[in-house]
Amino acid sequence: DTAVSQTPKYLVTQMGNDKSIKCEQNLGHDTMYWYKQDSKKFLKIMFSYNNKELIINETVPNRFSPKSPDKAHLNLHINSLELGDSAVYFCASSPGGDRGYTFGSGTRLTVV
Amino acid sequence: DQQVKQNSPSLSVQEGRISILNCDYTNSMFDYFLWYKKYPAEGPTFLISISSIKDKNEDGRFTVFLNKSAKHLSLHIVPSQPGDSAVYFCAAKTSGTYKYIFGTGTRLKVLA
Repeated sequence: DTAVSQTPKYLVTQMGNDKSIKCEQNLGHDTMYWYKQDSKKFLKIMFSYNNKELIINETVPNRFSPKSPDKAHLNLHINSLELGDSAVYFCASSPGGDRGYTFGSGTRLTVV
Repeated sequence: DQQVKQNSPSLSVQEGRISILNCDYTNSMFDYFLWYKKYPAEGPTFLISISSIKDKNEDGRFTVFLNKSAKHLSLHIVPSQPGDSAVYFCAAKTSGTYKYIFGTGTRLKVLA
């Protein structure tokens, strides 16, 4: 049983398209995150939800919109995709406090 | 502004020897630190943590050292094994917040 699962694993799409990445966790964690790993390998936080409430919203273009239908799911929708959006996107969850995250295996997004 | 830095992008070590991975941070408010290990095409997995009230934490072959005055932490792996070959990320946060800031990672190669 995968603790944090993301779909799809790979996504190749054309500029201007709209796409979604889904994330689900079965750990019972209250907090979920989206991180982006760019070509320079920086892992940067984008969003975080705690019990379906947005708690972190970093400086991310508003073409990116997270949605958390329940605390086990955090989806990422991206409108009008640009070449610079190409990256690996990681979903993660945590029980909160100082404990670390459990990451999904990542979604490699390539915009052509 | 990269608040967590891993200045060595790669490191090669002979099997059985010690691997030392370094991490520096600039934000003196950080008081909780993690190390993650990442294999290709997988998400990062939690390895070991340390809080600022300690200067050392040990878990089997892995030991993390924290030097608060130098704003420096290091991960020691003894003895190194070929299966330890991976990218290692350090991450830091301030207690009471949800957001971990990650370094750019160090690729460790353990030679058999």
